[in-house]
Amino acid sequence: DTEVTQTPKHLVMGMTNKKSLKCEQHMGHRAMYWYKQKAKKPPELMFVYSYEKLSINESVPSRFSPECPNSSLLNLHLHALQPEDSALYLCASSQDWSGAENTEAFFGQGTRLTVV
Amino acid sequence: GNSVTQMEGPVTLSEEAFLTINCTYTATGYPSLFWYVQYPGEGLQLLLKATKADDKGSNKGFEATYRKETTSFHLEKGSVQVSDSAVYFCALSSYSSASKIIFGSGTRLSIRP
Repeated sequence: DTEVTQTPKHLVMGMTNKKSLKCEQHMGHRAMYWYKQKAKKPPELMFVYSYEKLSINESVPSRFSPECPNSSLLNLHLHALQPEDSALYLCASSQDWSGAENTEAFFGQGTRLTVV
Repeated sequence: GNSVTQMEGPVTLSEEAFLTINCTYTATGYPSLFWYVQYPGEGLQLLLKATKADDKGSNKGFEATYRKETTSFHLEKGSVQVSDSAVYFCALSSYSSASKIIFGSGTRLSIRP
């Protein structure tokens, strides 16, 4: 199984809503990531979890709150978002975080988020 | 800091044409290099990788060679198909960038039947 599964595939939410994006992998990877991708741009790193601990937060606003309940799951909790937060949110995983040769990342299909 | 520069798109070719997408990088140390592909409406898929100088990554008819002397990792395919239409991202990862994956800006490829 080389899949990273993200749900939902599409999400429309109002600026006062609270929603969560979910990500799951069963490859035994110990590093998991959230990326944000705007149209016609490369993915931008938001968060990295390594061994279920938050390793990197790329100065992401607090209206985005990540959570790693266990080594297979990664959530992104959303609250009070703005229309400019509309984007494709990609989850990825890799074998670990400690070695450059192991950092090829496997990506999910993404959640296309629209904030209205 | 580390960075990746790839040719601007869009690139439009006819089916069975030869493809080259240029990619150069700046990095300290010895990065791993990757090409990712993103088909319309989908996430990124790892297309190929190379982890040391002179390594050649290959997959689905695509090839790229890690050239340390020219700091390049150009993507090539001898005969493209309509199904190759996608956005291609060159990327690197290294200890000096805290193992983050650094992406180029992406090159949109369109293949005409």
